[in-house]
Amino acid sequence: AQSVAQPEDQVNVAEGNPLTVKCTYSVSGNPYLFWYVQYPNRGLQFLLKYITGDNLVKGSYGFEAEFNKSQTSFHLKKPSALVSDSALYFCAVRDWGGATNKLIFGTGTLLAVQP
Amino acid sequence: DAGVIQSPRHEVTEMGQEVTLRCKPISGHDYLFWYRQTMMRGLELLIYFNNNVPIDDSGMPEDRFSAKMPNASFSTLKIQPSEPRDSAVYFCASSSGRQGTGELFFGEGSRLTVL
Repeated sequence: AQSVAQPEDQVNVAEGNPLTVKCTYSVSGNPYLFWYVQYPNRGLQFLLKYITGDNLVKGSYGFEAEFNKSQTSFHLKKPSALVSDSALYFCAVRDWGGATNKLIFGTGTLLAVQP
Repeated sequence: DAGVIQSPRHEVTEMGQEVTLRCKPISGHDYLFWYRQTMMRGLELLIYFNNNVPIDDSGMPEDRFSAKMPNASFSTLKIQPSEPRDSAVYFCASSSGRQGTGELFFGEGSRLTVL
């Protein structure tokens, strides 16, 4: 079965520093991987996805993610964090099994950017 | 497009009352998902539909929960009778199986409090 793991409940980073939010996956077949962000009292918003091609994927708000097949990872990164990036981040993988067409979400990582 | 629209945004009710949450998916999307989010359990998939037909309801907690999708532009999630442990934020999301690569578009959520 497909799954994703987000090993950190919370990541703290100072504004202006680079940030990384970790995600590892387990899939049978080719992975379709996604990152979502949730701001307080809001729904989840799509940030970026990896389907195929270049291992470095660029998304919204200056975020990018690196797909690493050998390490089965899909870490979210940003070169310079902003206080406004503080939010809950979810990694997800598409479950292709049988007739299913759903995303399996990780447990989420709370990103706190200090001024 | 206005995105996924959910109502009500907030609902406070007493134990034993019936609760109905509503969702209008993005026009043209053929998949609709209902999720529940709590601090303890994170983001849980309750049920999803394809072309108005329920595909997987294995996440529905118990018989008190029911979901319908009478047409392509409307879905309801009903809890009867409601209990305090049902307090959560309920999200509706939609996606296109014909176009795109499976990313979900979420509504703003319905925050349910059962007293």
